[in-house]
Amino acid sequence: EVQLVESGGGLVQPGRSLRLSCAASGFTFNDYAMHWVRQAPGKGLEWVSGISWNSGNIGYADSVKGRFTISRDNAKNSLYLQMNSLRAEDTALYYCAKAGLSGEFDPWGQGTLVTVSS
Amino acid sequence: EIVLTQSPATLSLSPGERATLSCRASQSVSSYLAWYQQRPGQAPRLLIYDAFNRATGIPARFSGSGSGTDFTLTISSLEPEDFAVYYCQQRSNWPITFGQGTRLEIK
Repeated sequence: EVQLVESGGGLVQPGRSLRLSCAASGFTFNDYAMHWVRQAPGKGLEWVSGISWNSGNIGYADSVKGRFTISRDNAKNSLYLQMNSLRAEDTALYYCAKAGLSGEFDPWGQGTLVTVSS
Repeated sequence: EIVLTQSPATLSLSPGERATLSCRASQSVSSYLAWYQQRPGQAPRLLIYDAFNRATGIPARFSGSGSGTDFTLTISSLEPEDFAVYYCQQRSNWPITFGQGTRLEIK
């Protein structure tokens, strides 16, 4: 069974940093692209960042470009999101998702909550 | 950035009725359009990918159609567990974008 488990969320002050992790199991991690998607409280879904299987192709939403960095460690079956210069508007539930062969997001983890507040 | 506009924002129907949800793209996304269902307190779940392909384990009452800029998700006969929020998503161009969602509620 494919499983994605996010961790690393929490309460952080504006301007500080946080690193999210996503532990993957149940599939050959280094065969698939991975993504981060976030959902602010009571709001819709926003794609944050994606990374190809070999880290050769990386993309970011304009809202996080220059502040967030996605990475992966295929030896550890793990995906990461380094978040710097955090703002109140970054407050959200952050999901990691596996990209299927057609690029669809399936499955998703249960998410980790990031709250940016003083 | 490709903008996806979903309509209606809220759809009120009864179990057993047919639901038709729309997603319109600001430019062509070919067939690179997916639909997701999100129930309260749960992560999104893939329903349809590449416009009309049902994901593994998704009941046949869910179907997708369209190409280019206009897409439709149809639920042929609503079950109680289908009342949720539905999102469309395009992967034609990065940044990947989602529609704002359609809330399907019980009438």
